Amino acid sequence: EDKVVQSPLSLVVHEGDTVTLNCSYEVTNFRSLLWYKQEKKAPTFLFMLTSSGIEKKSGRLSSILDKKELFSILNITATQTGDSAVYLCAVELPRGGATNKLIFGTGTLLAVQP
Amino acid sequence: GAVVSQHPSRVICKSGTSVKIECRSLDFQATTMFWYRQFPKQSLMLMATSNEGSKATYEQGVEKDKFLINHASLTLSTLTVTSAHPEDSSFYICSARRMASGSVRRETQYFGPGTRLLVL
Repeated sequence: EDKVVQSPLSLVVHEGDTVTLNCSYEVTNFRSLLWYKQEKKAPTFLFMLTSSGIEKKSGRLSSILDKKELFSILNITATQTGDSAVYLCAVELPRGGATNKLIFGTGTLLAVQP
Repeated sequence: GAVVSQHPSRVICKSGTSVKIECRSLDFQATTMFWYRQFPKQSLMLMATSNEGSKATYEQGVEKDKFLINHASLTLSTLTVTSAHPEDSSFYICSARRMASGSVRRETQYFGPGTRLLVL
């Protein structure tokens, strides 16, 4: 069965701290791995990773994929209270001629305290 | 940007009634839309994949006669929960797949804000 596992389930830090969120996966077929940030409502897209070892960076956020060990990490440096959210990891599975699907992890709830 | 809207954002209904949820891509055309369900403290679970002009593809364990999906145009998909029961209470989120073209290098799913359904 395809699955995506995230850790930790929740995390409380203080502003300015650096955090690392983990995502491991076991899937029969892999196309890409995606990170989303979910506040109260819709998940918003952060990164899409397809190749091992290439870091993607956006401001204080960065992410990297290891396709050999089947995991990805999301780093947030100098955290701010606005970073508080659930961070979702999803793996995109190709389905032949059908539309690719996303399998989501349960997410990591990050709380950044002032 | 790529904006997806959902309506309504919240609905409370009596057991046995049907509820329709709309998902619209506002500034792009989406040949494919996806419907997810998220129970408290759980992951987003894909329910079905909706392709414009054809029948939806349902995931294993999702009743197609209970969750009716219509994708009548390139910007609108609807999910109707028929004869809703309390166990159908959940957060329903749609996403729309934007095809790669021009400055959009790769197809990406953009999520709507979700609809919280409470069945009494």
